[in-house]
Amino acid sequence: NAGVTQTPKFRVLKTGQSMTLLCAQDMNHEYMYWYRQDPGMGLRLIHYSVGEGTTAKGEVPDGYNVSRLKKQNFLLGLESAAPSQTSVYFCASSYSLPPEIPSNEQFFGPGTRLTVL
Amino acid sequence: ELKVEQNPLFLSMQEGKNYTIYCNYSTTSDRLYWYRQDPGKSLESLFVLLSNGAVKQEGRLMASLDTKARLSTLHITAAVHDLSATYFCAVAGGGNEKLTFGTGTRLTIIP
Repeated sequence: NAGVTQTPKFRVLKTGQSMTLLCAQDMNHEYMYWYRQDPGMGLRLIHYSVGEGTTAKGEVPDGYNVSRLKKQNFLLGLESAAPSQTSVYFCASSYSLPPEIPSNEQFFGPGTRLTVL
Repeated sequence: ELKVEQNPLFLSMQEGKNYTIYCNYSTTSDRLYWYRQDPGKSLESLFVLLSNGAVKQEGRLMASLDTKARLSTLHITAAVHDLSATYFCAVAGGGNEKLTFGTGTRLTIIP
């Protein structure tokens, strides 16, 4: 099993350009998440999904859109990139609520390092 | 709103010494996670603490949870260089298994 994979690993954009980050998981997890990590701020939740066809806003959703058309994939889109979106983006996935998996830990992908000039 | 505070933010310690990282959170939760992150890498799950008084140990690391005090600790015993990393605690809350992360503790072990 590959676990959680992210594409691409690195990307440089100019202000105003758009792009899509792809997250894929092969663990049949219901929940998927997108986080951004900035120095000194830990991880902050951007958007998440509790199942195919569903999405919800997290802590810092502005400037991002997401889609979950297939259970195994979760896409994060930047329509008009800004320098403030320079960050490392992590995708994660987990099972649904207990009692199926009491620990319900999140499994993280390798990250995408995005620079917006 | 759930807030999670870790301290210290930075910790430099000598090999062989013991130390503790603290994680405080602001609202009731019965599920707390510890993750490790190496520079430029992803997050690796270390411990899942599910109830008050839970204690988990793996090698030189031991984590505990006191839900009444809203406090978790990560204790390092006889530190070795391989433990140098950033450690995050994360607390479940707000429904749908959303996690709120602390800001992380960057641990550096000096020979």
